Amino acid sequence: EAQVTQNPRYLITVTGKKLTVTCSQNMNHEYMSWYRQDPGLGLRQIYYSMNVEVTDKGDVPEGYKVSRKEKRNFPLILESPSPNQTSLYFCASSTTGTGFMNTEAFFGQGTRLTVV
Amino acid sequence: KQEVTQIPAALSVPEGENLVLNCSFTDSAIYNLQWFRQDPGKGLTSLLLIQSSQREQTSGRLNASLDKSSGRSTLYIAASQPGDSATYLCAVGGGSYIPTFGRGTSLIVHP
Repeated sequence: EAQVTQNPRYLITVTGKKLTVTCSQNMNHEYMSWYRQDPGLGLRQIYYSMNVEVTDKGDVPEGYKVSRKEKRNFPLILESPSPNQTSLYFCASSTTGTGFMNTEAFFGQGTRLTVV
Repeated sequence: KQEVTQIPAALSVPEGENLVLNCSFTDSAIYNLQWFRQDPGKGLTSLLLIQSSQREQTSGRLNASLDKSSGRSTLYIAASQPGDSATYLCAVGGGSYIPTFGRGTSLIVHP
C-alpha cells in the first residue's frame, strides 16, 4: 500500500530539548516536504527536498532542519524547540522532482507536537 | 505573494444537496491547482489535480473547474452524503516549488 509514515503521531516535549520527527515513503518519490498547520493560518511549507541531498527552505524554515540522505526518508529536526513551534506537522511526497503540485501528493497522518 | 481564499469557511447542508466550494487566488500565473480532503485528526487526501492548461477534472461525484484568468476554481460535489463531511482545501502551485494553501472549507452533511 502506498503510504507516507510519520512518527511519532503525538509528542509533548519541553523547551530546548532536541527532537526529530521521522517521515518515510514507500513510493520511490523524488519530492518530499514538511508543513505545519495552525488554526487561522492554514498549511505552510517548512522545507522541501527535490531529491537525495537536495533540500531548500519553504515559507517558514526558522527553527527547523531537515536532511535527505536516502530517497525514502526525510526527517524534520527541531534543535531547540520553543512553544511557538507547537503545531500539527505533516510530511508529504509526490512523484516528480519538478515540484509538489505536478502530480498527486500523498500526505502522512500528521504529528501533533506540543512544546511546553 | 500568492494568496488563496476559500469561501465559505464553513457549510452545513442536508444530505442529497449539490454543493459548490470556491477557491480564489490572487496571482493567475499558476502551474496547477489541487483539491484536498482532510478528515479530523488525519492527513490530506488528494481529490483532483488540474494543470494550468486544463479547464476541469472529474472524479466520481466530484468536478473541479479552473479559470486562470479570473483566478478561480470551484469544486462541485453532486448528491452530497454524510461521508463527504470533512474540510476541503485547495492549493495552487506556481513558479516556485512552494505551494500556497487556502484555509479550507469545513463541510458537514447531515442525514
